Amino acid sequence: GQQLNQSPQSMFIQEGEDVSMNCTSSSIFNTWLWYKQDPGEGPVLLIALYKAGELTSNGRLTAQFGITRKDSFLNISASIPSDVGIYFCAGHLKAAGNKLTFGGGTRVLVKP
Amino acid sequence: GAGVSQSPSNKVTEKGKDVELRCDPISGHTALYWYRQSLGQGLEFLIYFQGNSAPDKSGLPSDRFSAERTGGSVSTLTIQRTQQEDSAVYLCASSYEDTIYFGEGSWLTVV
Repeated sequence: GQQLNQSPQSMFIQEGEDVSMNCTSSSIFNTWLWYKQDPGEGPVLLIALYKAGELTSNGRLTAQFGITRKDSFLNISASIPSDVGIYFCAGHLKAAGNKLTFGGGTRVLVKP
Repeated sequence: GAGVSQSPSNKVTEKGKDVELRCDPISGHTALYWYRQSLGQGLEFLIYFQGNSAPDKSGLPSDRFSAERTGGSVSTLTIQRTQQEDSAVYLCASSYEDTIYFGEGSWLTVV
């Protein structure tokens, strides 16, 4: 089946830093989605990408749908404390029954 | 409602009991998904409903798990004879086309 490799698994951020995470897949997707999950909550959609090569921003967040349709990255610029949480990428392929395939998550923590 | 609504938000049950988890999708959304997330882990697909088509049950971990969707709207996930390893958060999501929105989850603890 399809698998998504998300990296890094975790990272420490200092306020003001830019952070980046990415996902790669063994097969193509029609749609890439990025979610953030805070403790005790469900995943919240951050950005949706629908076309290969698409670059989309949402405030301090920027995400791109890789041209090969097998990868995507998410950048957070000028990080702030509330950026802490777990970020998940997810790929959606209509031909594969429409279910989302999730990456393992990137846990963003604040540097002590 | 404005978002995907799930109930109960928290459930503690004794091993061996049956539980039912409910999901109210966003109005007008034709697709409905159930995922499971164990503590600190990623999301595991369970089941997918699309309109009147037969559901994709390929993610259900055992025959103790079942789900139905009545009238193309509300869905119920049932876990029979619960086991401790069933403890997790059960997330429901719905979509109209390609963008999928999650509920807050139902946190199940089996003791």
